[in-house]
Amino acid sequence: KNEVEQSPQNLTAQEGEFITINCSYSVGISALHWLQQHPGGGIVSLFMLSSGKKKHGRLIATINIQEKHSSLHITASHPRDSAVYICAVRGRRSGGGADGLTFGKGTHLIIQP
Amino acid sequence: DSGVTQTPKHLITATGQRVTLRCSPRSGDLSVYWYQQSLDQGLQFLIHYYNGEERAKGNILERFSAQQFPDLHSELNLSSLELGDSALYFCASSPNFGPLETQYFGPGTRLLVL
Repeated sequence: KNEVEQSPQNLTAQEGEFITINCSYSVGISALHWLQQHPGGGIVSLFMLSSGKKKHGRLIATINIQEKHSSLHITASHPRDSAVYICAVRGRRSGGGADGLTFGKGTHLIIQP
Repeated sequence: DSGVTQTPKHLITATGQRVTLRCSPRSGDLSVYWYQQSLDQGLQFLIHYYNGEERAKGNILERFSAQQFPDLHSELNLSSLELGDSALYFCASSPNFGPLETQYFGPGTRLLVL
C-alpha cells in the first residue's frame, strides 16, 4: 500500500466547476506539499502545509493532521488549471530536519471550456 | 521560473553508459534534493545534500551517486545505465533542511536509455 493515496486519479470537469482533490497518508509527517505538473513536465510548488488551511488566488488547501487527510480545492476552474496535481509528504526525522518527499501518484485534471 | 537550473534538458544514451546530470540551486539555497520520475514508479526521492554533505538517501541505486560542490551546484552520476533508468530527473532546492521549507523544482532532465 502506497504511503500517500490520492483520489481521484483522473478528473474531467467543465470550466467554472468547483474542484476537489483528496490526499490521504499513512505515516507521521512534518509537512504536506501540493505540487502542480504541467504537460511539459515542469513541477511547481503550490502549497506547503503543516496545519490548517492556506489560500492562494483560486486555490485552497486544507489539512487535518488527526485524520491524516488533505484536500486541494480549485474554485471557478479554468482550462489553464489542466495539469497533474501531486500530493507529497515529508516525514519526520529524529534530530531535526526531514527526509525527501514521498509522493502520491497524482490526479490528472482536465478542465473543458 | 523557480531559479533552479538543470542541464542538459534532454539526454539520449545507450545501455551500459555513464551520464552526469547537473543542478544549480536557487541563489542562497544550501539544500539540493534529487528525484526520479518514471512511468511505472512515479516520483521518487533519490538523495539529499546540504551544504556539501549527504543528508539523506532515498531509493537511490548503487549505480547512482551524487555530490554537491563548494559552489553548491550538484551532480547526479548514473552509471551502467539500463533501459529502466529512462526517466525524468528533477532536482529541487531549499534554503536549509527544515521540514517546513518549500522545495523549488528545476525543469528536469529527460533521460532516454536505448
